[in-house]
Amino acid sequence: DVKVTQSSRYLVKRTGEKVFLECVQDMDHENMFWYRQDPGLGLRLIYFSYDVKMKEKGDIPEGYSVSREKKERFSLILESASTNQTSMYLCATQGSGGYTFGSGTRLTVV
Amino acid sequence: DQQVKQNSPSLSVQEGRISILNCDYTNSMFDYFLWYKKYPAEGPTFLISISSIKDKNEDGRFTVFLNKSAKHLSLHIVPSQPGDSAVYFCAASNLRGAYKYIFGTGTRLKVLA
Repeated sequence: DVKVTQSSRYLVKRTGEKVFLECVQDMDHENMFWYRQDPGLGLRLIYFSYDVKMKEKGDIPEGYSVSREKKERFSLILESASTNQTSMYLCATQGSGGYTFGSGTRLTVV
Repeated sequence: DQQVKQNSPSLSVQEGRISILNCDYTNSMFDYFLWYKKYPAEGPTFLISISSIKDKNEDGRFTVFLNKSAKHLSLHIVPSQPGDSAVYFCAASNLRGAYKYIFGTGTRLKVLA
């Protein structure tokens, strides 16, 4: 089974901090994604990557950046955290067919 | 513009009865659809999928129906069990184009014992 590991289950950060969310997969999948989940809004795509050092903006990239230096690791960076970035963040990888998601990181910005 | 819509934010069903979750889409280029289930504080898990060349796919208690002319799909759970209580997301993609999926807003299913 593909395993997608997000380094933190819960995080609390202060407004203005730079925040790193890490995601690691143990299969050789090229496509990786970052989503955020908010009540009533579903899953919204922030960024995705289809290869090392390649990245593309999703639907809501503002305030975020990403890094993919190695195939297995895809990092989401909040340059200056704000309270409206309080959310559940989900990393996913894609082999043939659908996604496999990590367990998520619940980020609270205070 | 929401390309994938789940118009019912919540649904309650008695244990043993059928649960029907609905999903509508607007993009006629979508040709592959999935359902995911999500428990609180966990990532979504894949449930069932359907390709546009089919109108029905069945896996145990779960059946997905696709009506291409109406741009509508539904997930049937029979019989419903308390462990099915979760948020269900439908997702759509065009496999010939982008590999990213567009998700609906989710429906919270509560199965009452």
